[in-house]
Amino acid sequence: GQQVMQIPQYQHVQEGEDFTTYCNSSTTLSNIQWYKQRPGGHPVFLIQLVKSGEVKKQKRLTFQFGEAKKNSSLHITATQTTDVGTYFCATSKAAGNKLTFGGGTRVLVKP
Amino acid sequence: ETGVTQTPRHLVMGMTNKKSLKCEQHLGHNAMYWYKQSAKKPLELMFVYNFKEQTENNSVPSRFSPECPNSSHLFLHLHTLQPEDSALYLCASSQDWGANTGELFFGEGSRLTVL
Repeated sequence: GQQVMQIPQYQHVQEGEDFTTYCNSSTTLSNIQWYKQRPGGHPVFLIQLVKSGEVKKQKRLTFQFGEAKKNSSLHITATQTTDVGTYFCATSKAAGNKLTFGGGTRVLVKP
Repeated sequence: ETGVTQTPRHLVMGMTNKKSLKCEQHLGHNAMYWYKQSAKKPLELMFVYNFKEQTENNSVPSRFSPECPNSSHLFLHLHTLQPEDSALYLCASSQDWGANTGELFFGEGSRLTVL
């Protein structure tokens, strides 16, 4: 079945530093979504990418969809304590197929 | 407040009990989902309902029985569960299922512990 790998599994970041988390697939994806889940909370939608090479920004967050539509990245600049949580990518191989979630990157911020 | 409400938030049950989880969405969406989230596995899709019809059953054991009486309500009936079924059960909804699934709106989850 479709598998999506997220790396790293854990990310310890010093407050103020930047970091990137990656989502990789062996198959071409129709689209990719990113979600954030705070500790003790539920996943909250952040963004959806559809086009090859697409880049979208939300304040300090930059999302990118690979040219081959097989991978995506989330880059956070100047990390803050509010960025703590687990970031999930969710993908589908074709429009309308069920979303498959990656294992998530758990982000811990050191003040 | 996500527009998706789940009850109860916490549930402890024995292996011989029968209980139900409830989900209600106030967003006017047509599709509703049950996901399981445990410490050892990523978010696992269990069931999808679109316009009250089940469109996806992701090989879920029969001790989990979903019910969708209308587009706004979704239940998960539980019976003779196993301790390994202990997890966070998340309900979600989306505007549509199919070509334009779009973003999922999750409820806050029901934390289930099976003793």
